[in-house]
Amino acid sequence: EAGVAQSPRYKIIEKRQSVAFWCNPISGHATLYWYQQILGQGPKLLIQFQNNGVVDDSQLPKDRFSAERLKGVDSTLKIQPAKLEDSAVYLCASSLGGGRRETQYFGPGTRLLVL
Amino acid sequence: AQTVTQSQPEMSVQEAETVTLSCTYDTSENNYYLFWYKQPPSRQMILVIRQEAYKQQNATENRFSVNFQKAAKSFSLKISDSQLGDTAMYFCAFQANTDKLIFGTGTRLQVFP
Repeated sequence: EAGVAQSPRYKIIEKRQSVAFWCNPISGHATLYWYQQILGQGPKLLIQFQNNGVVDDSQLPKDRFSAERLKGVDSTLKIQPAKLEDSAVYLCASSLGGGRRETQYFGPGTRLLVL
Repeated sequence: AQTVTQSQPEMSVQEAETVTLSCTYDTSENNYYLFWYKQPPSRQMILVIRQEAYKQQNATENRFSVNFQKAAKSFSLKISDSQLGDTAMYFCAFQANTDKLIFGTGTRLQVFP
């Protein structure tokens, strides 16, 4: 079974530029999560989708971050404009359904460096 | 608000020995889940073990076991017969009445030959 795919793996941009990350969840997984992992910290949930609807985006900085999951499969996370403090690893995860019994499977992450 | 604390930034252990990683959490919820995730260098995070708060029996997965003390809000991970492949960051995580995982800051474990 293929795992969660993410691209690109690495990205370097200058502040105020825009960047987009892509995630392809495990086939058949209805729930998709984006986490931000700043160096030295644990991952923090940015947004959760159930199919193509948003379940939780309470910690997403909506003035600069946006995310979508068209057709309930792939998802993109965009930052516009980027700030220095956005330097982090962005992790995508998916689970079969929602709910606490479901294991979240993580992708390899996209490492972003903002200069 | 729920919080997860891992007080050991780094740990080391010799191959074949046993090591215990600590985790404490704070919550007013009564029903929740606790997890240990492993993040090897440059590789993706994988679930090691899960504990349901209403279960008194400690979870075990092969060489990995937990010591869950609900009253003390403590959830430690014991790795027996440590192997070189156990070298990784280990994150403790909490999940209450939503799907959101709340992670600790992690413990970097180095296994030496």
